[in-house]
Amino acid sequence: SQQGEEDPQALSIQEGENATMNCSYKTSINNLQWYRQNSGRGLVHLILIRSNEREKHSGRLRVTLDTSKKSSSLLITASRAADTASYFCATSGSSNTGKLIFGQGTTLQVKP
Amino acid sequence: DSGVTQTPKHLITATGQRVTLRCSPRSGDLSVYWYQQSLDQGLQFLIHYYNGEERAKGNILERFSAQQFPDLHSELNLSSLELGDSALYFCASSLAGGLGGELFFGEGSRLTVL
Repeated sequence: SQQGEEDPQALSIQEGENATMNCSYKTSINNLQWYRQNSGRGLVHLILIRSNEREKHSGRLRVTLDTSKKSSSLLITASRAADTASYFCATSGSSNTGKLIFGQGTTLQVKP
Repeated sequence: DSGVTQTPKHLITATGQRVTLRCSPRSGDLSVYWYQQSLDQGLQFLIHYYNGEERAKGNILERFSAQQFPDLHSELNLSSLELGDSALYFCASSLAGGLGGELFFGEGSRLTVL
């Protein structure tokens, strides 16, 4: 079963606008990661935030983590058509394995 | 390019058949993970190997098996195939075996069962 639920399932915006995606999870985590997947391609790691961190930035990406609410958000600022993709959150639990459990993903369409 | 190589990229086969998917991890990575991605189930974790040993098992059917060889490449064997096994199968690798670091994904093997 999936650990995370993402919201919204689909998002359509204009180029230049900001895109916000949310992820909720169920169990305690060691870290939370965001991945991007272009249609039918492999997933690409975007950013990792540890359970003791609240916010992290990487270029146009901003991730927040609220462990009390078991939720995270990914903000993409000044979006571009090339940002069109599916975005997944993934959680790493506290067990001694590196496996990640992925959410269902948000499909983002950025219109030029 | 993630450095993870998966073969074959596409595979079409019939129900009841058996296939083997192959994965070569990034140079130096000791962990290999297998995931299945389908429209209805999303990305499902199947199994994790670290340096040749099974570390964790997810929603992997008994008809499926995997192994990691001494050269660290991995194979996922799918047998008695059913229509519902049609999916994208991803392999991912990482350097370490625990605490969930970044995973590097291959481009996947798309399996179609007719």
